[in-house]
Amino acid sequence: AIQLTQSPSSLSASVGDSVTITCRASQGISGALAWYQQKPGKAPKLLIYDASSLESGVPSRFSGSGSGTDFTLTISSLQPEDFASYHCLQFNSYPWTFGQGTKVEIK
Amino acid sequence: EVQLLESGGGLVQPGESLRLSCAAAGFTFSSYSMTWVRQAPGMGLEWVSAISGDSAYIYYADSVRGRFTISRDNSKNTLYLQMNSLRVEDTAIYYCAKRTAAVPGAVDYWGQGTLVTVSS
Repeated sequence: AIQLTQSPSSLSASVGDSVTITCRASQGISGALAWYQQKPGKAPKLLIYDASSLESGVPSRFSGSGSGTDFTLTISSLQPEDFASYHCLQFNSYPWTFGQGTKVEIK
Repeated sequence: EVQLLESGGGLVQPGESLRLSCAAAGFTFSSYSMTWVRQAPGMGLEWVSAISGDSAYIYYADSVRGRFTISRDNSKNTLYLQMNSLRVEDTAIYYCAKRTAAVPGAVDYWGQGTLVTVSS
């Protein structure tokens, strides 16, 4: 199974900061990676699909990049509503795998 | 508007069974692959199982293969997860999710989840 290593597991940042979360796959997955945001008690919400495509309705401060084994999610100017957990998912092959998650907290 | 509504969760003892359902609305259910994802308390997301629109292709995580069975009834727009021989480590919120039409495609819509607690 393809392993996804997501880092950091948590980070503290201030409103207006730019933050970057990385996800590394144990083998190449082309661009078959998605990013999700999850708030406490809620289901995940799709932010980015195919590594860099912004889901409709998602603010443009969210961006994704990468291909092959290394991927990043960047939030360019953190807003109060962005404090949440973020998860990457590889859907290149079964079994699908998620990263361990990153909790973005207020500094 | 896409809607996914899970039901069937609850408290069971180790070794018992439970069947989860996911009622879908707002899209042509039979045209989309569906998947189950779970999240143990305070933990990350874990993919559990997936099924193609015509049920021809079915996949399981190693952790549930042989104990869980995914199925769907396209006439009822409903996805199922039959869970047998439940273990304490199966305790989690179980989400059903719709896959996009793209190949390959991620999941774009999620239900609100149903809690399964396995405890003696």
